[in-house]
Amino acid sequence: NAGVMQNPRHLVRRRGQEARLRCSPMKGHSHVYWYRQLPEEGLKFMVYLQKENIIDESGMPKERFSAEFPKEGPSILRIQQVVRGDSAAYFCASSSGQSGANVLTFGAGSRLTVL
Amino acid sequence: GENVEQHPSTLSVQEGDSAVIKCTYSDSASNYFPWYKQELGKRPQLIIDIRSNVGEKKDQRIAVTLNKTAKHFSLHITETQPEDSAVYFCAVPFFSGTYKYIFGTGTRLKVLA
Repeated sequence: NAGVMQNPRHLVRRRGQEARLRCSPMKGHSHVYWYRQLPEEGLKFMVYLQKENIIDESGMPKERFSAEFPKEGPSILRIQQVVRGDSAAYFCASSSGQSGANVLTFGAGSRLTVL
Repeated sequence: GENVEQHPSTLSVQEGDSAVIKCTYSDSASNYFPWYKQELGKRPQLIIDIRSNVGEKKDQRIAVTLNKTAKHFSLHITETQPEDSAVYFCAVPFFSGTYKYIFGTGTRLKVLA
């Protein structure tokens, strides 16, 4: 069991470019969460997805950010026209269900640096 | 609202002493309360969790206690060791049609040798 896989682990972008972060959940997990962590800060909820469905995107900025979890392939967090304030670690977590009592398992994170 | 408060934000203890971190949450229909440990530069990892049908759960040197009436739960680490130094996060699933996990602001624990 490979666990939750995220790539790239490190990504450097210049202001105005696009960043795409990928997350493959654990085998058997169909629920994916994305969190943002600024340096020395906590885990801020961004979006919760199931296959082909956005369940809750209340934590995601309305502009420049989007997320998807297609029927085939990984979940993708996309940031358009990146700015320096987007520099952060982006963690994906997966769970097997939505009962509110399911363990979240985290990936190793993708660290985005915007120059 | 969906509010999770965690205290203290930093905690220094001497090796061998105990550490207690408290998490308070706003109204929640959840019956599940996990604690995560995050070492520097690494991913958060689940260390212990509790469901509301019990008031306390232990796993070797760590324990979690839950007071659902007062809406708080605490992480207890006994006989602390330098490798316990990390940031600890509580999490609470909030229900609004479905569950989403909101994390506390974190506690940086430093165990002094």
